[in-house]
Parts: sequence; C-alpha cells; structure tokens
Amino acid sequence: GDSVTQMEGPVTLSEEAFLTINCTYTATGYPSLFWYVQYPGEGLQLLLKATKADDKGSNKGFEATYRKETTSFHLEKGSVQVSDSAVYFCALGTNAGKSTFGDGTTLTVKP
Amino acid sequence: EAQVTQNPRYLITVTGKKLTVTCSQNMNHEYMSWYRQDPGLGLRQIYYSMNVEVTDKGDVPEGYKVSRKEKRNFPLILESPSPNQTSLYFCASTLTSGSGGELFFGEGSRLTVL
Repeated sequence: GDSVTQMEGPVTLSEEAFLTINCTYTATGYPSLFWYVQYPGEGLQLLLKATKADDKGSNKGFEATYRKETTSFHLEKGSVQVSDSAVYFCALGTNAGKSTFGDGTTLTVKP
Repeated sequence: EAQVTQNPRYLITVTGKKLTVTCSQNMNHEYMSWYRQDPGLGLRQIYYSMNVEVTDKGDVPEGYKVSRKEKRNFPLILESPSPNQTSLYFCASTLTSGSGGELFFGEGSRLTVL
C-alpha cells in the first residue's frame, strides 16, 4: 500500500537557520503530494502542494519539489523564524480518495 | 467563513458508552474523511466518504461507524468505545476526491476512554 516516511524529529534550530525536513513516499499511480502544518492546539492546515512530477510548491518561504525519480518531497526554508515552530506532516493523496500521512516532524525554533 | 466544525472538542467517557462525534462543513464539499492522531503514528485515516451515501474504510476502521446522509455532515460513531480509542480525532473535507484537492481540517476532538 501507499506510505510516507518523514525524517524523524524533533528538530531544534536557531532563528535564521536553514531547514530541511526529508519526506519520501511509496505509491502506485500518480499521487499529489502535500505538506501540512499543525500549530499547537490547532488542526492541520495546508502549507504547500504539488500535483505532478517536477512541480514546486511554495508558501511563506517554504518550498518543496515533487521528485518522481527519487520519490521525494523534501521541505525546505532558507531562514526559519520562531513562529515556524509547529508539527509538519508530509502527505500524499490519490484519486481513489485515500490520503496517507507521515508521522509528523516537530520543529522548535529558538530565538 | 469557510470551516469544518467538530463537536465535542473534548470528551471523557467510559468503556462501552456509545458516543458520536459530529462533523459539519459549510463549503459544499463532496469528500469528507476522519483521522485519528496518535503520538509516533502520525495521522491515520479511519473512514472517508466521496459523496452522500458513499462511504469506505480507511486504514483503521475497526470499532468505528460513519454515515453520510447529508452532504455537509459526516458523524463518527463509536458504538462501544474502548481505551485504545483514546486519541485526537480530526475531520477533514475537500471539494472532490481528486488528488489535487487540499484537505480542510476541523480543530480536532480529544477523546479519552476510561
């Protein structure tokens, strides 16, 4: 079946550091890929998405590129802020209606 | 305001006492889904519905029931809750089941079964 593997956390960075959270997937067909973010006490919200190979999703300074050859969708940000502290989930979605999420990576950014 | 609303947000109950967690969306979305979030296990899909009267099992459906009689509502029913169903539950919706769709999540329902 489909699966998503995320880099294990937690991740702690200083403000303005570079962030990478690795995500790889296994899926049949051609899924769409997503990054969701969960701030403390809240539900998940979409951070960015890519619907086909080589697409780059971007939002709020975060980026991720859909790499079919390496089945990856790594999340990057050049300079993190304290307000980026949250849990980040990589996910894939299929036309069959199923969504598969990674385990989540907790990011803490210190001033 | 476009939103997915879950109730209750917090609930403590006892083993075997039937309960229902309601979910309602005001975006005319066809697709709705339930997830549970557990430490170290991420989000796991319980059930989903592609439209009214159409539901299907996700990855962890045991012990749960759902119904979709109206487009806007998708309640999650625990007929006989057990302690291993203690979890944080999220309802989500999207316009269609097509894979390009962003999921809109509710704020979550934290359930404790004693």
